[in-house]
Amino acid sequence: DSGVTQTPKHLITATGQRVTLRCSPRSGDLSVYWYQQSLDQGLQFLIQYYNGEERAKGNILERFSAQQFPDLHSELNLSSLELGDSALYFCASSVGPTGEQYFGPGTRLTVT
Amino acid sequence: DAKTTQPNSMESNEEEPVHLPCNHSTISGTDYIHWYRQLPSQGPEYVIHGLTSNVNNRMASLAIAEDRKSSTLILHRATLRDAAVYYCILREGGGDKLIFGTGTRLQVFP
Repeated sequence: DSGVTQTPKHLITATGQRVTLRCSPRSGDLSVYWYQQSLDQGLQFLIQYYNGEERAKGNILERFSAQQFPDLHSELNLSSLELGDSALYFCASSVGPTGEQYFGPGTRLTVT
Repeated sequence: DAKTTQPNSMESNEEEPVHLPCNHSTISGTDYIHWYRQLPSQGPEYVIHGLTSNVNNRMASLAIAEDRKSSTLILHRATLRDAAVYYCILREGGGDKLIFGTGTRLQVFP
C-alpha cells in the first residue's frame, strides 16, 4: 500500500459525458502527478501540481483539466469523453517537486 | 528527454539472480537513472535510482557503467512476486515528470 488513494476504482460512462477522478496523496506529500495508461500509448505523464500550483504539463488534452486543493487532494476532470479516453488513470505523489513518486492503485475508466 | 532502450522481455527462475539491462547512450551529466516496476493490476512502484555510483537498497542493486551510457538493475534472488514490467527512466536533475518507455516484462518461473 503506497498511501496514495484514488476514487473511484472503476468508472463506466458514455461518450460526451464528463467525469471527475479524485486523488489523495500520502500524508505530507505536496506534489501530485497524473498519468494515463492505455494499451496503445503506454504510461503517459499528464500534469503535475505542487502545493496547489501547476508545475509541469505533459500530453494533457484541452478537454482534460486538473486542480489541487488546499488540503492537497487533487481532481482530474475529463470532459466530452471519447472512446479513446478509456484507460487507467494513475495519481502519484511525492514529498517535494522532484522526489520519488508513490503511485495509487488507479482508476479504470471505460467510455462506451 | 533522453531515451532508454530495454529488452522487451526476460525470464528467470525463482531464487536466481536477475540482471535487467538498460542502455541510455544520450544521457546527460545531470540525468538520474531511475527504475520503477509495475506489478500486474497495480500502479508503478519505485525501485531504485542513482547518478554515478552503484546503489543498493532492500529491493535491488543498481550498477551504473563508468561512462553512464548503460546501467543494470540487479535482483539478487528473484521471487514469483518480482514478476512485473520494469521501467528504466532518465530523470533530469531537478526534473519532475517521469517519462516511461515500454519497459522489460520479467517472468519468474517456480
